[in-house]
Amino acid sequence: DAKTTQPPSMDCAEGRAANLPCNHSTISGNEYVYWYRQIHSQGPQYIIHGLKNNETNEMASLIITEDRKSSTLILPHATLRDTAVYYCIVRVQGSSNTGKLIFGQGTTLQVKP
Amino acid sequence: DGGITQSPKYLFRKEGQNVTLSCEQNLNHDAMYWYRQDPGQGLRLIYYSQIVNDFQKGDIAEGYSVSREKKESFPLTVTSAQKNPTAFYLCATQRGGFETQYFGPGTRLLVL
Repeated sequence: DAKTTQPPSMDCAEGRAANLPCNHSTISGNEYVYWYRQIHSQGPQYIIHGLKNNETNEMASLIITEDRKSSTLILPHATLRDTAVYYCIVRVQGSSNTGKLIFGQGTTLQVKP
Repeated sequence: DGGITQSPKYLFRKEGQNVTLSCEQNLNHDAMYWYRQDPGQGLRLIYYSQIVNDFQKGDIAEGYSVSREKKESFPLTVTSAQKNPTAFYLCATQRGGFETQYFGPGTRLLVL
């Protein structure tokens, strides 16, 4: 079962920032927050991940609350190509489990012109 | 993604037929995974391999088989025992130590 909760859908105007929330209230101290996205009929694409600190890369920023119970993925200037399903996943790193990713229903982001 | 290739992009299976989906990687990653995705659903783990010549069943292994004879390759066979094979199949790789997992473009399997 997915350990995260995301809104099923969101809209964003092209050129504006897209802020995608994720609740993970039962996250453990050794679990990372990962974000992937999946454009229709393609494989999921890794975006970013973090443990406690905020993270930024060329694609997005990840803001994790101090209590780690929620996070926000920020796409600073959304384009039409960012229309996709965005998945927030919590995952233990460095332990002897299967390594499998548990994808929930995700958030369908629709970027509109 | 980049160094992960899956072929074919579309595959058609007749009743009672076994089919094999290819997954090749040039990332030198130790671990490889097969997931199945049904319309509007999340991914479910079929099989995974953390090292050459070793693999483990995932959550829905019945009706599937795999091999891992080379580090670069992890083919998945959908056997006739899999009664509902129509789905989108995704291969993923991971360098090891449960680092970031990367996905291939997927193969869509349809039953004739």
